[in-house]
Amino acid sequence: NAGVTQTPKFRVLKTGQSMTLLCAQDMNHEYMYWYRQDPGMGLRLIHYSVGEGTTAKGEVPDGYNVSRLKKQNFLLGLESAAPSQTSVYFCASNFDPGLRYYEQFFGPGTRLTVL
Amino acid sequence: AQSVTQLGSHVSVSEGALVLLRCNYSSSVPPYLFWYVQYPNQGLQLLLKYTTGATLVKGINGFEAEFKKSETSFHLTKPSAHMSDAAEYFCAVSDPDTDKLIFGTGTRLQVFP
Repeated sequence: NAGVTQTPKFRVLKTGQSMTLLCAQDMNHEYMYWYRQDPGMGLRLIHYSVGEGTTAKGEVPDGYNVSRLKKQNFLLGLESAAPSQTSVYFCASNFDPGLRYYEQFFGPGTRLTVL
Repeated sequence: AQSVTQLGSHVSVSEGALVLLRCNYSSSVPPYLFWYVQYPNQGLQLLLKYTTGATLVKGINGFEAEFKKSETSFHLTKPSAHMSDAAEYFCAVSDPDTDKLIFGTGTRLQVFP
């Protein structure tokens, strides 16, 4: 049981380049989330998904896109990277907060630098 | 809307001293409350949670937190700090309107020998 995994762990991009971050979970969780973590700002929700084939915007969605084609995977895409997107990105999942299962399980993070 | 305030972005204690990390929340209904810990270059790990029942909650590594409804607080404590407790700690509250967690901005704990 690997829990939540993220690839890659580190990445350096030039401004304007694109990339996709992959999140995978093996806990059969319905809900998945993408956060970014910046110093002094805690975790901010980018996008989330309440089930396979669904996505929704979070607090800071601009410049990002997501897809949830399979229940176990949640992809975060940057179409044209900007220096403001330099951050640490975390993926998380949980069973079903609608049933009051609020605890989220986090991946190890991806450190992204945009030059 | 829910919000979480963590007082003190940095807290420093000596090894063996009491650890107290403060968290206050705003909520119109009884919330679910969480403390997560993030060790350097790692993801967030659940330390403890309050859902219902006993207001004093015990977590891993000797930490505990007390839910005080009258003070809208959920402070994290540990009687005796250890060097390995050095990490960043996040308080979070459930939002019943959105079914999401709202995180505080974090408190970095330093432990000196």
